[in-house]
Amino acid sequence: DAKTTQPTSMDCAEGRAANLPCNHSTISGNEYVYWYRQIHSQGPQYIIHGLKNNETNEMASLIITEDRKSSTLILPHATLRDTAVYYCIVRVAKKGTYKYIFGTGTRLKVLA
Amino acid sequence: GAGVSQSPSNKVTEKGKDVELRCDPISGHTALYWYRQSLGQGLEFLIYFQGNSAPDKSGLPSDRFSAERTGGSVSTLTIQRTQQEDSAVYLCASSLLLEGNQPQHFGDGTRLSIL
Repeated sequence: DAKTTQPTSMDCAEGRAANLPCNHSTISGNEYVYWYRQIHSQGPQYIIHGLKNNETNEMASLIITEDRKSSTLILPHATLRDTAVYYCIVRVAKKGTYKYIFGTGTRLKVLA
Repeated sequence: GAGVSQSPSNKVTEKGKDVELRCDPISGHTALYWYRQSLGQGLEFLIYFQGNSAPDKSGLPSDRFSAERTGGSVSTLTIQRTQQEDSAVYLCASSLLLEGNQPQHFGDGTRLSIL
């Protein structure tokens, strides 16, 4: 079955870059990788997504390997408010229907 | 703002009762998704709707679970004869389209507790 794999937890010093990896080795060629984060008691918040090329927006950058089997979310200057659980998601197509696979999530703790 | 709205935000009920959870997606969003998140766990995908149609119901945990969507808008997730293992946060999301690269926008969920 398709799955994504993420480290359980990471710490990052405030002001430094946080690099969050995700392995999605079973992703198919035309499916995107999405990243979300979840702060306690809230619904997941969309961060960024990509297909093949690296992407950047006001929140983060996304680096996708050439073989598309893994990606890294980069928060360039982490702040205390970035403390959250970060999920990468891929969509799996099967027989004309879809399933959405969330990773186990990485609990990022930004330290003052 | 007009985000995804879920109700109730919290629901406590006795084992064996039926519960109905409601999701109001963002206006104009054609795709709608339901997830379940047990305490301290990641998100488990349950079902999605394209318009009013749910092409694959195999992600629902048991036949006690059902979902429907009417008018291409509001969706309800119904759990019959609730069990304690049904206790979780039920999250709903919507996206403009099912196809392409449209991100999902999530509500804050319904926290369901079965006594």
